[in-house]
Amino acid sequence: AQKITQTQPGMFVQEKEAVTLDCTYDTSDQSYGLFWYKQPSSGEMIFLIYQGSYDEQNATEGRYSLNFQKARKSANLVISASQLGDSAMYFCAMREGYSGAGSYQLTFGKGTKLSVIP
Amino acid sequence: DSGVTQTPKHLITATGQRVTLRCSPRSGDLSVYWYQQSLDQGLQFLIQYYNGEERAKGNILERFSAQQFPDLHSELNLSSLELGDSALYFCASSVDEATDSGNTIYFGEGSWLTVV
Repeated sequence: AQKITQTQPGMFVQEKEAVTLDCTYDTSDQSYGLFWYKQPSSGEMIFLIYQGSYDEQNATEGRYSLNFQKARKSANLVISASQLGDSAMYFCAMREGYSGAGSYQLTFGKGTKLSVIP
Repeated sequence: DSGVTQTPKHLITATGQRVTLRCSPRSGDLSVYWYQQSLDQGLQFLIQYYNGEERAKGNILERFSAQQFPDLHSELNLSSLELGDSALYFCASSVDEATDSGNTIYFGEGSWLTVV
Protein backbone atom coordinates (compact mmCIF):
# COMPACT_ATOMS: atom_id res chain seq x y z
CA ALA A 1 0.00 0.00 0.00
CA GLN A 2 1.19 3.48 -0.80
CA LYS A 3 2.20 5.48 2.21
CA ILE A 4 1.61 8.84 0.55
CA THR A 5 -1.16 9.31 -1.97
CA GLN A 6 -1.59 12.37 -4.12
CA THR A 7 -4.66 11.76 -6.23
CA GLN A 8 -4.39 14.82 -8.48
CA PRO A 9 -1.76 14.31 -11.19
CA GLY A 10 -2.41 17.81 -12.50
CA MET A 11 -4.39 20.88 -11.53
CA PHE A 12 -5.14 24.28 -12.97
CA VAL A 13 -5.85 27.42 -11.00
CA GLN A 14 -6.56 30.99 -12.02
CA GLU A 15 -4.03 33.56 -10.92
CA LYS A 16 -4.96 35.16 -7.55
CA GLU A 17 -7.29 32.29 -6.68
CA ALA A 18 -6.70 29.77 -3.88
CA VAL A 19 -5.98 26.12 -4.61
CA THR A 20 -5.90 22.96 -2.49
CA LEU A 21 -3.56 20.08 -3.28
CA ASP A 22 -4.60 16.79 -1.73
CA CYS A 23 -2.42 14.41 0.24
CA THR A 24 -3.40 11.38 2.26
CA TYR A 25 -0.97 9.26 4.21
CA ASP A 26 -0.80 5.89 5.85
CA THR A 27 1.20 5.16 8.98
CA SER A 28 0.82 3.29 12.22
CA ASP A 29 3.33 5.51 13.99
CA GLN A 30 2.09 7.99 16.59
CA SER A 31 4.92 10.39 15.92
CA TYR A 32 5.43 11.47 12.34
CA GLY A 33 5.95 14.56 10.26
CA LEU A 34 4.43 15.74 7.02
CA PHE A 35 6.21 17.94 4.51
CA TRP A 36 5.35 19.71 1.30
CA TYR A 37 7.97 20.50 -1.30
CA LYS A 38 7.80 22.48 -4.52
CA GLN A 39 9.78 21.43 -7.56
CA PRO A 40 9.88 23.98 -10.40
CA SER A 41 10.87 22.95 -13.89
CA SER A 42 14.48 23.80 -13.06
CA GLY A 43 14.51 20.77 -10.79
CA GLU A 44 15.40 21.97 -7.32
CA MET A 45 13.35 20.73 -4.38
CA ILE A 46 12.11 23.64 -2.27
CA PHE A 47 10.83 23.08 1.26
CA LEU A 48 7.47 24.78 1.81
CA ILE A 49 5.86 23.70 5.04
CA TYR A 50 5.95 21.13 7.82
CA GLN A 51 3.32 19.66 10.15
CA GLY A 52 4.16 17.45 13.10
CA SER A 53 1.69 14.79 14.17
CA TYR A 54 1.38 16.32 17.63
CA ASP A 55 0.93 19.86 16.39
CA GLU A 56 -2.58 20.98 17.25
CA GLN A 57 -2.56 24.02 15.01
CA ASN A 58 -2.41 23.83 11.25
CA ALA A 59 0.96 24.97 9.97
CA THR A 60 1.17 28.19 7.97
CA GLU A 61 4.05 29.76 6.06
CA GLY A 62 3.11 32.92 4.20
CA ARG A 63 0.69 31.97 1.41
CA TYR A 64 1.00 28.28 2.25
CA SER A 65 -1.07 26.51 4.85
CA LEU A 66 -1.46 22.86 5.65
CA ASN A 67 -4.94 21.56 6.36
CA PHE A 68 -4.13 18.73 8.75
CA GLN A 69 -6.94 16.30 9.50
CA LYS A 70 -5.37 13.60 11.63
CA ALA A 71 -8.38 11.31 11.88
CA ARG A 72 -8.73 11.29 8.11
CA LYS A 73 -4.95 11.02 7.66
CA SER A 74 -4.92 13.92 5.28
CA ALA A 75 -2.49 16.81 4.97
CA ASN A 76 -3.69 19.04 2.17
CA LEU A 77 -1.66 22.04 1.03
CA VAL A 78 -3.56 25.25 0.50
CA ILE A 79 -1.96 27.98 -1.58
CA SER A 80 -3.73 31.30 -1.32
CA ALA A 81 -3.61 34.05 -3.96
CA SER A 82 -1.87 31.90 -6.58
CA GLN A 83 0.92 33.48 -8.59
CA LEU A 84 2.36 32.52 -11.96
CA GLY A 85 5.54 31.49 -10.17
CA ASP A 86 3.60 28.84 -8.25
CA SER A 87 3.43 26.70 -11.40
CA ALA A 88 5.45 23.63 -10.46
CA MET A 89 5.27 20.05 -9.20
CA TYR A 90 4.27 19.74 -5.58
CA PHE A 91 5.24 16.77 -3.48
CA CYS A 92 3.83 15.61 -0.18
CA ALA A 93 6.22 13.61 1.99
CA MET A 94 6.18 11.86 5.34
CA ARG A 95 8.79 11.18 7.99
CA GLU A 96 7.77 8.30 10.23
CA GLY A 97 8.74 7.81 13.82
CA TYR A 98 11.29 9.60 15.89
CA SER A 99 13.99 7.93 17.91
CA GLY A 100 16.27 10.65 19.14
CA ALA A 101 19.14 10.80 16.71
CA GLY A 102 17.25 8.55 14.35
CA SER A 103 16.59 8.55 10.68
CA TYR A 104 14.50 11.23 9.08
CA GLN A 105 14.15 9.57 5.71
CA LEU A 106 11.17 10.78 3.75
CA THR A 107 8.61 8.86 1.74
CA PHE A 108 7.25 10.91 -1.15
CA GLY A 109 4.03 10.89 -3.06
CA LYS A 110 3.98 10.97 -6.85
CA GLY A 111 3.32 14.68 -6.96
CA THR A 112 0.77 17.09 -8.38
CA LYS A 113 1.58 19.37 -11.28
CA LEU A 114 0.06 22.77 -10.65
CA SER A 115 -0.42 25.19 -13.51
CA VAL A 116 -1.40 28.77 -12.75
CA ILE A 117 -3.35 30.46 -15.53
CA PRO A 118 -3.06 34.22 -16.05
CA ASP B 1 19.07 28.95 -1.29
CA SER B 2 18.70 25.89 0.95
CA GLY B 3 22.32 25.91 2.05
CA VAL B 4 22.87 22.37 0.73
CA THR B 5 25.42 22.36 -2.10
CA GLN B 6 25.64 19.66 -4.73
CA THR B 7 28.16 19.22 -7.51
CA PRO B 8 28.17 18.67 -10.40
CA LYS B 9 24.82 20.07 -11.50
CA HIS B 10 24.86 18.15 -14.77
CA LEU B 11 26.79 15.08 -15.80
CA ILE B 12 26.73 13.02 -18.98
CA THR B 13 28.59 9.74 -19.02
CA ALA B 14 28.67 6.46 -20.89
CA THR B 15 27.34 3.10 -19.79
CA GLY B 16 29.78 1.12 -17.69
CA GLN B 17 31.46 4.20 -16.31
CA ARG B 18 31.73 5.40 -12.71
CA VAL B 19 30.82 8.83 -11.37
CA THR B 20 30.97 10.58 -8.02
CA LEU B 21 28.40 13.09 -6.83
CA ARG B 22 29.32 15.45 -4.04
CA CYS B 23 27.23 17.08 -1.35
CA SER B 24 27.97 19.68 1.31
CA PRO B 25 25.25 19.85 3.96
CA ARG B 26 23.95 22.98 5.61
CA SER B 27 26.19 24.37 8.29
CA GLY B 28 25.55 22.49 11.53
CA ASP B 29 23.64 19.62 9.94
CA LEU B 30 25.00 16.22 10.86
CA SER B 31 22.81 14.05 8.66
CA VAL B 32 23.03 13.67 4.92
CA TYR B 33 20.49 11.82 2.80
CA TRP B 34 20.65 10.77 -0.81
CA TYR B 35 17.56 10.46 -2.98
CA GLN B 36 17.06 9.44 -6.58
CA GLN B 37 14.29 10.91 -8.72
CA SER B 38 13.49 9.09 -11.95
CA LEU B 39 10.46 9.22 -14.22
CA ASP B 40 9.39 5.65 -13.53
CA GLN B 41 10.29 5.31 -9.83
CA GLY B 42 9.59 8.81 -8.57
CA LEU B 43 11.54 10.04 -5.56
CA GLN B 44 13.27 7.26 -3.68
CA PHE B 45 15.41 7.31 -0.58
CA LEU B 46 18.81 5.74 -1.16
CA ILE B 47 20.90 6.10 1.98
CA GLN B 48 21.52 8.23 5.05
CA TYR B 49 24.70 9.11 6.92
CA TYR B 50 24.80 10.65 10.35
CA ASN B 51 28.01 12.19 11.60
CA GLY B 52 30.12 9.92 9.43
CA GLU B 53 28.29 6.67 9.98
CA GLU B 54 25.73 4.94 7.83
CA ARG B 55 22.34 5.29 9.56
CA ALA B 56 19.72 3.96 7.16
CA LYS B 57 19.59 2.28 3.79
CA GLY B 58 16.79 2.42 1.27
CA ASN B 59 16.56 1.18 -2.30
CA ILE B 60 20.21 1.60 -3.07
CA LEU B 61 21.75 -0.70 -5.65
CA GLU B 62 24.91 -2.63 -4.82
CA ARG B 63 26.64 -0.74 -7.64
CA PHE B 64 26.09 2.45 -5.63
CA SER B 65 27.91 3.44 -2.48
CA ALA B 66 28.24 6.51 -0.33
CA GLN B 67 30.30 7.91 2.47
CA GLN B 68 30.39 10.90 4.75
CA PHE B 69 33.70 12.48 5.59
CA PRO B 70 34.91 14.07 8.86
CA ASP B 71 34.03 17.54 7.53
CA LEU B 72 30.48 16.13 7.00
CA HIS B 73 30.44 16.42 3.24
CA SER B 74 29.22 13.30 1.48
CA GLU B 75 29.88 11.55 -1.80
CA LEU B 76 27.65 9.16 -3.72
CA ASN B 77 29.55 6.81 -5.99
CA LEU B 78 27.72 5.23 -8.89
CA SER B 79 29.56 2.52 -10.81
CA SER B 80 28.94 0.24 -13.80
CA LEU B 81 26.39 2.76 -14.91
CA GLU B 82 23.36 1.66 -16.91
CA LEU B 83 20.92 3.67 -18.99
CA GLY B 84 18.33 3.25 -16.24
CA ASP B 85 20.54 5.08 -13.77
CA SER B 86 19.81 8.32 -15.57
CA ALA B 87 18.03 10.43 -12.95
CA LEU B 88 18.15 13.49 -10.76
CA TYR B 89 20.09 12.74 -7.60
CA PHE B 90 19.34 14.83 -4.57
CA CYS B 91 21.22 15.33 -1.38
CA ALA B 92 19.36 16.57 1.69
CA SER B 93 20.53 17.44 5.17
CA SER B 94 19.08 17.82 8.63
CA VAL B 95 20.35 18.42 12.14
CA ASP B 96 19.09 15.06 13.35
CA GLU B 97 19.89 15.34 17.02
CA ALA B 98 17.86 14.25 20.02
CA THR B 99 16.66 17.79 20.65
CA ASP B 100 15.70 18.52 17.07
CA SER B 101 12.04 18.47 16.21
CA GLY B 102 12.75 16.90 12.86
CA ASN B 103 11.01 19.59 10.90
CA THR B 104 13.92 20.82 8.82
CA ILE B 105 15.01 18.68 5.93
CA TYR B 106 16.45 20.79 3.14
CA PHE B 107 17.41 19.60 -0.30
CA GLY B 108 20.18 20.66 -2.61
CA GLU B 109 19.52 21.61 -6.23
CA GLY B 110 20.28 18.10 -7.40
CA SER B 111 22.72 16.53 -9.84
CA TRP B 112 21.31 15.59 -13.21
CA LEU B 113 22.93 12.37 -14.41
CA THR B 114 22.49 11.24 -17.98
CA VAL B 115 23.90 7.87 -18.98
CA VAL B 116 24.28 7.38 -22.73
